[in-house]
Amino acid sequence: ELKVEQNPLFLSMQEGKNYTIYCNYSTTSDRLYWYRQDPGKSLESLFVLLSNGAVKQEGRLMASLDTKARLSTLHITAAVHDLSATYFCAVDAKLVFGAGTILRVKS
Amino acid sequence: GAVVSQHPSRVICKSGTSVKIECRSLDFQATTMFWYRQFPKQSLMLMATSNEGSKATYEQGVEKDKFLINHASLTLSTLTVTSAHPEDSSFYICSAYRDRGEQYFGPGTRLTVT
Repeated sequence: ELKVEQNPLFLSMQEGKNYTIYCNYSTTSDRLYWYRQDPGKSLESLFVLLSNGAVKQEGRLMASLDTKARLSTLHITAAVHDLSATYFCAVDAKLVFGAGTILRVKS
Repeated sequence: GAVVSQHPSRVICKSGTSVKIECRSLDFQATTMFWYRQFPKQSLMLMATSNEGSKATYEQGVEKDKFLINHASLTLSTLTVTSAHPEDSSFYICSAYRDRGEQYFGPGTRLTVT
């Protein structure tokens, strides 16, 4: 059974600083997704990572995938308040989700 | 980007009644759609995989007679919660699978059973 673990589950960030969220999964998979969810809203797709070594960047967010280590990271550069949300990673075509990481950016 | 719609966005129903939720892919054909449920402050849990023209595949622990899924066309899947009870109150989200490994989520339906 595929299990997906995210950490940390809660991240209080200071504006301007850098942080990383980790996503580990238990069995081999060929795809990993990162999503953002704002309160009361559905999911917004951030990244789709389909191969080992894949790295994608959008604004202050950068995601990478190491399929050998079964690990993906979401790196936040110079956090800003607008990034406050819950971030989920999900693995496999059926999207097995991690528990989510709640990000709060403090001024 | 691709658009997936859900209707209704919110619904309140009485215990014992049935509720139908529609999920449409607006600008692409989706042979596979997924239904998820999300309880407050929790992650999304896959309920079932909906395949056009065939029976849905339910995840372990999800009652197929209670959560009826129909995928009648390449752009529409419906989830019917039958004989709803307060414990069925949740946020239901569908997603449509497109080629190239991409999935697109609907805006969600908040169901409240009184």
